[in-house]
Amino acid sequence: NFMLTQPHSVSESPGKTVIISCTGSSGSIASNYVQWYQQRPGSAPTTVIYEDNQRPSGVPDRFSGSIDSSSNSASLTIFGLKTEDEADYYCQSYDNSNKVFGGGTKLTVL
Amino acid sequence: QVQLQESGPGLVKPSETLSLTCTVSGGSISSYYWSWIRQPPGKGLEWIGSIHYSGSTKYNPSLKSRVTISVYMSKRQFSLRLTSVTAADTAVYYCARDPSGVAGSDYWGQGTLVTVSS
Repeated sequence: NFMLTQPHSVSESPGKTVIISCTGSSGSIASNYVQWYQQRPGSAPTTVIYEDNQRPSGVPDRFSGSIDSSSNSASLTIFGLKTEDEADYYCQSYDNSNKVFGGGTKLTVL
Repeated sequence: QVQLQESGPGLVKPSETLSLTCTVSGGSISSYYWSWIRQPPGKGLEWIGSIHYSGSTKYNPSLKSRVTISVYMSKRQFSLRLTSVTAADTAVYYCARDPSGVAGSDYWGQGTLVTVSS
């Protein structure tokens, strides 16, 4: 079964840059779009990146998505960290048209 | 503004059937895919299945034998039925809209907690 692996947690200081990785277990991660969702405690997820690197309206350009075929991974980069970015982040892609989520990464901004 | 709202019982007994409905407002149910996703307490997101407005479905292989998703165009609703539930099915259940079926979900409901317990 296709899986997406994320680090369990990352932490960084306000104003810094953080990169959250999402590695595909098999095949080519570039074959299907990758999305990234932000989930704050007690709230539903919201999209911060869709179609690998597109930002929905209202999402600041501090959020950036990319694909690295050589490592079969996707990355979410958040520039100029703010305390409000502290949340869980999930990557999501597809396997034979079935949705697959990564296990989630808890971002702490301290 | 598109809004999705889940509704249904918050408590289901083991071995019984979990039934939830998602009502869509502020937009059409046509031309989109509609998904159910769940999140056990303290854990990550799990895709349950998706339905196209035409009625075609895709289910998580691990749940396929127990899941039915249906769409009701005139009511602007879609539903989830999960049979033979156990405590492992206790989760917050979310409904969501998928613009294309290949690019994730853009709108989500607020989620509803369903507890499986006698």
